Amino acid sequence: KQEVTQIPAALSVPEGENLVLNCSFTDSAIYNLQWFRQDPGKGLTSLLLIQSSQREQTSGRLNASLDKSSGRSTLYIAASQPGDSATYLCAVISVQGAQKLVFGQGTRLTINP
Amino acid sequence: GAGVSQTPSNKVTEKGKYVELRCDPISGHTALYWYRQSLGQGPEFLIYFQGTGAADDSGLPNDRFFAVRPEGSVSTLKIQRTERGDSAVYLCASSPASGYNEQFFGPGTRLTVL
Repeated sequence: KQEVTQIPAALSVPEGENLVLNCSFTDSAIYNLQWFRQDPGKGLTSLLLIQSSQREQTSGRLNASLDKSSGRSTLYIAASQPGDSATYLCAVISVQGAQKLVFGQGTRLTINP
Repeated sequence: GAGVSQTPSNKVTEKGKYVELRCDPISGHTALYWYRQSLGQGPEFLIYFQGTGAADDSGLPNDRFFAVRPEGSVSTLKIQRTERGDSAVYLCASSPASGYNEQFFGPGTRLTVL
């Protein structure tokens, strides 16, 4: 059974810092990995999708990497801003998973002005 | 274009009542998913539709939960004899044609069972 873990559970940093959020998964047989952002009381906004054949994806100040063999992904946020404050979730679709996303518990990020 | 929409945004009901939650996917998306998110947790899969049929309902917790998608577009999640433990945010997502594509989520329905 696929399990996804995100560390740390919460992170608070001053504005302007670069930061890394971590995601690990137990079964390396995945089709893709997706990073989401969730604001309080809101739904999920897709940030980046990495296919299993890819090593990384970039969108603006965000860069996500994937090391499938070691079961790890990182989300790098450059020059953080207070508007980046949210919960960040990673999720994978496993080869055995019939297209359903398996989520981590998320990292709650606070950027202090 | 319009994203995934869900109605109602909030639903408060009493224990034992029946509720229906609606999801309108992105136009043209054939795959539709339901997830449930408890406070402080990541979403958990409930059911996946490809077209009109449920391709995977392994996440439905028990037979009080049922979902339909009769015309391959709008979906309704139905919960009978609600229990306090059913309180959660119910999220719907859709994705383009079959395949392991990006999933796009709606804003969710917050269900509170008193």
